[in-house]
Amino acid sequence: EIVLTQSPATLSLSPGDRATLSCRASQSIATSLAWYQQKPGRTPRLLIYDASNRATGIPARFSGGGSGTDFTLTISSLEPEDFAVYYCQQFINWPITFGQGTRLEIK
Amino acid sequence: EVQLLESGGDLVQPGGSLTLSCAASGFSFSSFAMRWVRQAQGKGLEWVSGINDNGRNTNYADSVRRRFIISRDNSKSTLYLQMTDLRAEDTAVYYCAKRGGRGYHDLWGRGTLVTVSS
Repeated sequence: EIVLTQSPATLSLSPGDRATLSCRASQSIATSLAWYQQKPGRTPRLLIYDASNRATGIPARFSGGGSGTDFTLTISSLEPEDFAVYYCQQFINWPITFGQGTRLEIK
Repeated sequence: EVQLLESGGDLVQPGGSLTLSCAASGFSFSSFAMRWVRQAQGKGLEWVSGINDNGRNTNYADSVRRRFIISRDNSKSTLYLQMTDLRAEDTAVYYCAKRGGRGYHDLWGRGTLVTVSS
């Protein structure tokens, strides 16, 4: 099973700041990685697929990068609605696995 | 409107059974693989099971293998999850999700709550 480790567990920032979230895979997954945003009581929303492609309707301030084992999700300038939990997910191998999540909170 | 709508969640006793449904609309259901993903209260996302577009290939997480069965009825645009021998650790919100591209989830339902407790 491929283990995804997200860091930090919690990130405290202010609106307007730049956020960088990390996801590390226990073995190479090429670019078979997606990022999701989940707000309290809400359904997860796809942000990034294939490591760096923005999903439909996702603002340009969200960007993804990386390949192999190290990936990042960057939010260039935080808006109030961006404070949420973010998960990465790999889809190169069964079982599909998710990272444990990074909580982005308002400082 | 493109959407997934789960139903069937309930309170069930340990050892009991339950079947979840997920009704799809607004897209060609029979063309896409589908998955079930669950989330315990305050916890992260856990993939449970997946099925390909024609229903012939299925996959399961080790934690549910031999207890859960995923299936689909493309004529009804509906996905199912039959759950047996339920345990307390199966308590979670169960989401159905549509597979996009090479394996990410590009559409999620709102989820249905399964609670396993005596």
